[in-house]
Amino acid sequence: QLVESGGAVIQPGGSLRLSCAASGFTFGHYTLHWVRQVPGKGLEWVSLINYNSTDKYYADSVKGRFFISRDNSRNSVYLQMNSLSTADTAFYYCALSRFDYWGQGTLVIVSS
Amino acid sequence: DVQMAQSPSSLAASLGARVTITCQASQDIGKSLNWFQQKPGKAPKVLIYDASTLETGVPSRFSGRGSGTFFTFTINSLQPDDVATYYCQQYDYLPTFGQGTKLEIK
Repeated sequence: QLVESGGAVIQPGGSLRLSCAASGFTFGHYTLHWVRQVPGKGLEWVSLINYNSTDKYYADSVKGRFFISRDNSRNSVYLQMNSLSTADTAFYYCALSRFDYWGQGTLVIVSS
Repeated sequence: DVQMAQSPSSLAASLGARVTITCQASQDIGKSLNWFQQKPGKAPKVLIYDASTLETGVPSRFSGRGSGTFFTFTINSLQPDDVATYYCQQYDYLPTFGQGTKLEIK
């Protein structure tokens, strides 16, 4: 199971950290992804982190503003989002390495 | 980046009909392709992985074919529960999704 949290209404230029808590599997063995979806629109892959945090990748749209991390002792993955703009308004999902398990999503609204 | 061109963007078909969605990759991705189903208010659910392998528990009326740059996803005998938006996704390198196909019953 994957459960996201941390979504909120935030002003443009602000920062927010999303969390994804995992259970029911050996968390430290797997790559985790963040995927986002503007309400009513398509899916956009955002970032991934490998099992031991040595590899991190980002979509061009968030590179330099978003930062992914994980804490295997807490079975959690995080997405630090900085310099937010209205274009970042979306549901944010975490997903397991093969995209075979997803969380329920958390909504981030960037608005003044 | 690998671009995924998915078509059509929407379609309506009759119950019991055969429905096919296509996805074209901008470069060779081998068989590194997922097909997802997403219903309103829900997270996507993977139906097919590795282009043609049915995920456990997914009904056999769903199938996928293709390799390289051209892929198809087929629903045989459309059911009411199949109303959803379907997405292809490549994972040969950094993942990218197709634009989605909204499927309705005619």
